[in-house]
Amino acid sequence: DAGVIQSPRHEVTEMGQEVTLRCKPISGHDYLFWYRQTMMRGLELLIYFNNNVPIDDSGMPEDRFSAKMPNASFSTLKIQPSEPRDSAVYFCASSFVADTQYFGPGTRLTVL
Amino acid sequence: GENVEQHPSTLSVQEGDSAVIKCTYSDSASNYFPWYKQELGKRPQLIIDIRSNVGEKKDQRIAVTLNKTAKHFSLHITETQPEDSAVYFCAPYNTDKLIFGTGTRLQVFP
Repeated sequence: DAGVIQSPRHEVTEMGQEVTLRCKPISGHDYLFWYRQTMMRGLELLIYFNNNVPIDDSGMPEDRFSAKMPNASFSTLKIQPSEPRDSAVYFCASSFVADTQYFGPGTRLTVL
Repeated sequence: GENVEQHPSTLSVQEGDSAVIKCTYSDSASNYFPWYKQELGKRPQLIIDIRSNVGEKKDQRIAVTLNKTAKHFSLHITETQPEDSAVYFCAPYNTDKLIFGTGTRLQVFP
């Protein structure tokens, strides 16, 4: 199994631009989670899906952030417009049941 | 909501010594207790976990112990090696979510 796949691995963009992060979960996993990691705030859960349905988006910082899961093998996290304070590493994780989660390699986002 | 605390925040040991990291949580409904290891620039990786019906679990040099009454669980690493140097996170599970602690930076000196 290839594990959780994320793209791009690094993204550098300018303030105001739209950013789209992508995730392919492990085949057969019903849960998908988006996390953000910064030095100041640690690992934060942004949103998670069960069977492609968003269950809890209470961690999404503001309306500039949105996430979709159109099918069982693909999810996106979009930031529009991006701001410098969005700079962080964004991780996607998946699991068969919600507890044992496996993380992707992450996307390091830098907003200038 | 769940409140998670990890101690210590940093830990330095000599190669071959043991290391213990403690995680305290607040919600007695938590029922799954994993530990993740994150090396610099890498993803968090699950290294060991325990469920609430078990008191201790071992996997070679690492072990996790759980005290549900006191609401804490601990990671034990024996015979530490330089490659054990990383940040370790506890993440008690509650209502479909892992609640991550703030991490413990372990440094193992040769």
